[in-house]
Amino acid sequence: EVQLVESGGNLVQPGGSLRLSCAASGFTFSSYEMNWVRQAPGKGLEWVSYISSSGNTIYYADSVKGRFTISRDNAKNSLYLQMNSLRAEDTAVYYCTTIYGSGRFDPWGQGTLVTVSS
Amino acid sequence: NFMLTQPHSVSESPGKTVTISCTGSSGSIASNYVRWYQQRPGSAPTTVIYEDNQRPSGVPDRFSGSIDSSSNSASLTISGLKTEDEADYYCQSYDSHNHWVFGGGTKLTVL
Repeated sequence: EVQLVESGGNLVQPGGSLRLSCAASGFTFSSYEMNWVRQAPGKGLEWVSYISSSGNTIYYADSVKGRFTISRDNAKNSLYLQMNSLRAEDTAVYYCTTIYGSGRFDPWGQGTLVTVSS
Repeated sequence: NFMLTQPHSVSESPGKTVTISCTGSSGSIASNYVRWYQQRPGSAPTTVIYEDNQRPSGVPDRFSGSIDSSSNSASLTISGLKTEDEADYYCQSYDSHNHWVFGGGTKLTVL
């Protein structure tokens, strides 16, 4: 069974840092591009970051560029998101997703909640 | 920046047909594939349409997608509405700056 399991979400103060992880299983992780997508409470979906299967190509949304760093460890079947200089507006459920086929995000993990508050 | 605009909410009765629009702010929406995701409360999104009009296995043929270049918009149509279709629906595409873009989402109420 294809599965993505996020972890690392927590309550953090503004200006703080957090590292999210996404553990993949049930498929050849090293062959797939990955993304992080977030959803603020009661709001819509927002794409955050992309990483190619090798890790050589990376993109970020303007809202997180310079503060967040995406990475992956194909030997550990894991995706990461290092989040620094966190702001209240970064409060959201963070999902990891695989890019499948021609570009659809499928599947998605269950998400991990990041709350930025003093 | 490229944006996708959806109606905030739509509602329709069981058994009826509803169409949700997704309008691109610039360029041609037909230049990149549009996907549609369904998100039920408390759950992660799932794909209902990919490559503009293709259904993943397991998605009923009551769901269909289309592109209208004249209005620079994509549409998700759900026929024979069921109460289980009540959810938030998001369109998604790709812009020229290597960014993926989601529409703001449409809350479908089946009443």
